Amino acid sequence: QLVLTQSPSASASLGASVKLTCTLSSGHSNYVIAWHQQQPEKGPRYLMRLNSDGSHIKGDGIPDRFSGSSSGAERYLTISSLQSEDEADYYCQTWGAGTVFGGGTKLTVL
Amino acid sequence: EVQLVESGGGLIQPGGSLRLSCAASGFTLSRHWMNWVRQAPGKGLVSVSRINSDGSDTAYADSVKGRFTISRDNAKNTLYLQMNDLRAEDTAVYYCARGASGYIYGLIDSWGQGTLVAVSS
Repeated sequence: QLVLTQSPSASASLGASVKLTCTLSSGHSNYVIAWHQQQPEKGPRYLMRLNSDGSHIKGDGIPDRFSGSSSGAERYLTISSLQSEDEADYYCQTWGAGTVFGGGTKLTVL
Repeated sequence: EVQLVESGGGLIQPGGSLRLSCAASGFTLSRHWMNWVRQAPGKGLVSVSRINSDGSDTAYADSVKGRFTISRDNAKNTLYLQMNDLRAEDTAVYYCARGASGYIYGLIDSWGQGTLVAVSS
């Protein structure tokens, strides 16, 4: 069964970097995923698509501070030079028979 | 510019029906898979249903199977979600979301602003 697993929470200081992880279930390590951001009281926003080889293509207007990488079944979202507006929920997403979301990671910027 | 605008949400009693619409503009709807995704208060994103580009293939979350029906009218650039026998646990913001182009058709690359469905007596 296709499942995406994310840590519920993460935190980092203003100006620092943070790396969020999304883990694909066994047998699905070659899947491409998308990362989405949801700021408080707003709808989700597409950030990027991320391939199994770590190549990624960002959505329109997504700052260079956001990047993606991959290792095996792990998909990462790295945010550098953290700003207050980066405090948000981050979701990974892929698809099989249906559309699948990870549980989301709540990022707190200290 | 890609735009997805949902409508049709509101307050409805348990057992009632609602039809959500999503008006698409700025792209050719017929080239994209489409999704309905919902978010209950304080919870994460959950896929409700998805439909392929010509409407011939659909998928549903187990929690809505047999009660919800996704459909599309590519000529009218509109996606629909017919929701019947609504329950309190269907209360959520419902988002329309577009699948990407090409071989990554199942990846969501654009979102609407959402419409709130509240099921309560």
